[in-house]
Amino acid sequence: KAGVTQTPRYLIKTRGQQVTLSCSPISGHRSVSWYQQTPGQGLQFLFEYFSETQRNKGNFPGRFSGRQFSNSRSEMNVSTLELGDSALYLCASSLEEDTPQHFGDGTRLSIL
Amino acid sequence: GNSVTQMEGPVTLSEEAFLTINCTYTATGYPSLFWYVQYPGEGLQLLLKATKADDKGSNKGFEATYRKETTSFHLEKGSVQVSDSAVYFCALSPTGGGNKLTFGTGTQLKVEL
Repeated sequence: KAGVTQTPRYLIKTRGQQVTLSCSPISGHRSVSWYQQTPGQGLQFLFEYFSETQRNKGNFPGRFSGRQFSNSRSEMNVSTLELGDSALYLCASSLEEDTPQHFGDGTRLSIL
Repeated sequence: GNSVTQMEGPVTLSEEAFLTINCTYTATGYPSLFWYVQYPGEGLQLLLKATKADDKGSNKGFEATYRKETTSFHLEKGSVQVSDSAVYFCALSPTGGGNKLTFGTGTQLKVEL
């Protein structure tokens, strides 16, 4: 069974640009969550989508947005990039609410 | 709000030593508790979980018991191997809170021969 797939693995952008990250969940999983991992703030929850609806949201500015498609694939968008957005962005999928989450290997975003 | 506190690392042990990584949490109700492990350059892997008080999660020789009275979920392993070297994260998911995980800061474990 294929795991959670995140693309691209690495990305370099400059300040002010925007970026879109993609996540393909494990087949049959309907919940997709996104997390930001940085050395200073650790792992922080961004948002969760379930059946194409945002179900939970963390404390991030509106520059961070996401969506989920009918096949459960999800994208995350960050606009007007700032240096502090440099991080490893992790996607996790799960079958339902309150079931274990399975993580992808992440997209490492570097802002110059 | 919910929070998870883990012991600071790095923790350096010799192979076959006993491992304990402390984890305490603050949350209302009865959250689910997890340990995740992250190897260099990879995402997080679920190591074990417990969903109610006194539950013991176990996997690959690792164990953790959900202690409601002390709000703790300490990770233990009787005999560590070099291959266990990684960063370990304790996390909680609130009851009825969807899939929003709150993580501790992580504890790096280094196992030497």
